[in-house]
Amino acid sequence: DAGVIQSPRHEVTEMGQEVTLRCKPISGHNSLFWYRQTMMRGLELLIYFNNNVPIDDSGMPEDRFSAKMPNASFSTLKIQPSEPRDSAVYFCASSLEAGAQETQYFGPGTRLLVL
Amino acid sequence: DQQVKQNSPSLSVQEGRISILNCDYTNSMFDYFLWYKKYPAEGPTFLISISSIKDKNEDGRFTVFLNKSAKHLSLHIVPSQPGDSAVYFCAASRSGGSNYKLTFGKGTLLTVNP
Repeated sequence: DAGVIQSPRHEVTEMGQEVTLRCKPISGHNSLFWYRQTMMRGLELLIYFNNNVPIDDSGMPEDRFSAKMPNASFSTLKIQPSEPRDSAVYFCASSLEAGAQETQYFGPGTRLLVL
Repeated sequence: DQQVKQNSPSLSVQEGRISILNCDYTNSMFDYFLWYKKYPAEGPTFLISISSIKDKNEDGRFTVFLNKSAKHLSLHIVPSQPGDSAVYFCAASRSGGSNYKLTFGKGTLLTVNP
């Protein structure tokens, strides 16, 4: 399997622009996670989907952030409008089922820079 | 409030010696602990885990020790190899409805010198 695929790998944008990050989970995995990694806060969970349904979005920082999973093989994380403090590395991860004992497989991440 | 803490941002060891990475947690509800390894420009990859019903789990060169009373866990790598050079993240979760949620430490950069 190709693993979790994320695009783009790097994104540079200007403040106020819309940013869309994309993720293709591992085929057959029912759980999908979006994480953000910053120096200040480390790696934190933004949102969790199970069977394409958002289960926990308590980590989404504010209304400028939204995430969708229209089908089992695709998810997006959108920031509109983007701000410099959104600069971070965003990871998508998937697991076969929900639960801590299910290994989460991470994508390579999208490094976002908002100027 | 950081519930999982890795107080050493970096660690440097010689090839062949033991690497010991430490992690402390504050939430007594955590009952499952994991270590992830991350190379530059890649996502974290799962390394080893331990349930709170155990105090040790071993997988090849990697051993995780859990001290519940001290709310402390450690990862031992013996012998260390240059390919082990990476950032190591400690993570924790709790049973129940939110058992999918991993709380990560900020990571420790391990450098193994040849």
